Amino acid sequence: DIVMTQTPSSQAVSAGEKVTMSCKSSQSLLYNENKKNYLAWYQQKPGQSPKLLIYWASTRESGVPDRFIGSGSGTDFTLTISSVQAEDLAVYYCQQYYNFPYTFGAGTKLELK
Amino acid sequence: EVQLQQSGPELQRPGASVKLSCKASGYTFTEYYMYWVKQRPKQGLELIGRIDPEDGSTDYVEKFKNKATLTADTSSNTAYMQLSSLTSEDTATYFCAANWDWGQGVMVTVSS
Repeated sequence: DIVMTQTPSSQAVSAGEKVTMSCKSSQSLLYNENKKNYLAWYQQKPGQSPKLLIYWASTRESGVPDRFIGSGSGTDFTLTISSVQAEDLAVYYCQQYYNFPYTFGAGTKLELK
Repeated sequence: EVQLQQSGPELQRPGASVKLSCKASGYTFTEYYMYWVKQRPKQGLELIGRIDPEDGSTDYVEKFKNKATLTADTSSNTAYMQLSSLTSEDTATYFCAANWDWGQGVMVTVSS
């Protein structure tokens, strides 16, 4: 199974800050035939189900604010929030869908500083 | 728009079984795999498996092969997951998901 490693596990932020979080996979998620990275990012707020933010590593889901930016390729990926808002306090998970079983990282929790 | 409505919370005794449901609407039920995901309290997300409602074929994560059974009823657009021989380790919220959309989750508590 592909292992997904997220860092940091938690991060204290202030509103307006730029935030970056990392996700590394134990093998490449880049499918050479279509040049797509099979990597998604989810946001989960307390008591809610996960919400898709980003797929194909960098494609923003419809309705997701443009302050959420996904980047990276191969085994190294980053989710950037350009200017954190209070409503962004949540846990963020990356997930690979390159190989079944699709696996999640352990999450990065954004907390208020 | 995909909508997934899950059944209500469950309180079960150790050793019992439980069957959870996930009713789909807003799309053609047979178009997407239905995935099931486990989340233990204050823990991360863990895929259990998936079912293709088109033909009922299933794929399970190895650790759940003797724990979960996935089925789908195309006449009612409903997916099911049965969990057997429940222990405290099965206390968790279980989500169904299709085409990147998720149900609201159902809390299963196993306690004597």
